[in-house]
Amino acid sequence: DSGVTQTPKHLITATGQRVTLRCSPRSGDLSVYWYQQSLDQGLQFLIQYYNGEERAKGNILERFSAQQFPDLHSELNLSSLELGDSALYFCASSVDRTSVDEQFFGPGTRLTVL
Amino acid sequence: GESVGLHLPTLSVQEGDNSIINCAYSNSASDYFIWYKQESGKGPQFIIDIRSNMDKRQGQRVTVLLNKTVKHLSLQIAATQPGDSAVYFCAEEYSNNAGNMLTFGGGTRLMVKP
Repeated sequence: DSGVTQTPKHLITATGQRVTLRCSPRSGDLSVYWYQQSLDQGLQFLIQYYNGEERAKGNILERFSAQQFPDLHSELNLSSLELGDSALYFCASSVDRTSVDEQFFGPGTRLTVL
Repeated sequence: GESVGLHLPTLSVQEGDNSIINCAYSNSASDYFIWYKQESGKGPQFIIDIRSNMDKRQGQRVTVLLNKTVKHLSLQIAATQPGDSAVYFCAEEYSNNAGNMLTFGGGTRLMVKP
């Protein structure tokens, strides 16, 4: 158990819908990262938040957004869902923002868009 | 459930043999490298890391080798066990004022035959 929690574990929805994925980082970790893992593209970095502020952006679509709240939990919002958005979405956390250190991954949310 | 890409290179080894998984990284500015293990239906799990000022690091049954000249990373697993069966990802990380950027390789599936 990494100490990172994600809910829900599974999510099934229809095209065009909007969903929210939730992540709670390890106690004491200030940085939260979101990743998408699809069958054909592996693990792709989406976005990083540090202490409530966006810090780095990766391959995140404009239909996707995220935020980190004062209690440091984070939410990833996916809107106008398409079939190709079906994937595993992982959240990871680490202690710091700029020092290179280990990221701890949550168990993931499996999103299925029908 | 299936959690990673279908078209991964696969390494098949006999139980008790040593395994070597290779990875080529892309960014010469990367200063931290991590090997992750991902079992089916789970998030990536940290195995071992190495910083760019080192060329070898040993853990329990695992060794990581870093060759910065050719941007190559390898993971050696001694006395491979059935529980080692998983997909292994290398990841390179560099940090700047914007945050930590972690880029994953495509993954290698390790299958251990009893």
